Amino acid sequence: EADIYQTPRYLVIGTGKKITLECSQTMGHDKMYWYQQDPGMELHLIHYSYGVNSTEKGDLSSESTVSRIRTEHFPLTLESARPSHTSQYLCASSSADRGNEQFFGPGTRLTVL
Amino acid sequence: GENVEQHPSTLSVQEGDSAVIKCTYSDSASNYFPWYKQELGKGPQLIIDIRSNVGEKKDQRIAVTLNKTAKHFSLHITETQPEDSAVYFCAATDSWGKLQFGAGTQVVVTP
Repeated sequence: EADIYQTPRYLVIGTGKKITLECSQTMGHDKMYWYQQDPGMELHLIHYSYGVNSTEKGDLSSESTVSRIRTEHFPLTLESARPSHTSQYLCASSSADRGNEQFFGPGTRLTVL
Repeated sequence: GENVEQHPSTLSVQEGDSAVIKCTYSDSASNYFPWYKQELGKGPQLIIDIRSNVGEKKDQRIAVTLNKTAKHFSLHITETQPEDSAVYFCAATDSWGKLQFGAGTQVVVTP
């Protein structure tokens, strides 16, 4: 069982609101990732981090931002949510010590009205 | 960068039959190929993986094969059961060590 947590699991908000999706892992993994996924569709990498104070944009352009101040914590922020941001957001982590196997959290289902 | 293609997009099998999902990748430097299973409302879970120094790996009813020359790898599920119904994703590492995922295969096992 992977020790990676995401909150909230479901979020319904109005357009223009600022939101932060939380992701935490207790495995001491140095690498963390955020993916965006529409139902039943492929995962698109939007952000990743190889360690504290390291963040990079992924393959899919996203208006969200991330921070990595602590190893275990990798929050994602949307300054002004729009209906086009409606999606599932999945957080994952990995470590070279574990062969770079990625462990996924349960996801946050975001709906912007 | 790495490009992973996965086929088929949907697969319907009778309970007890075998299911095969195939993936191809483009980056010859890729060396790690995991398979994930995603059930409705959950995050993907690793079910099996293979590294480039191995041609085949088996874990109970699940097996994965890798052909590095042809740059393709496959997932085989034998004696399928209704609980095998899910979306399956293949992936390959790119040159930066990040995973590039296939588009997914919806597997439906009918009793």
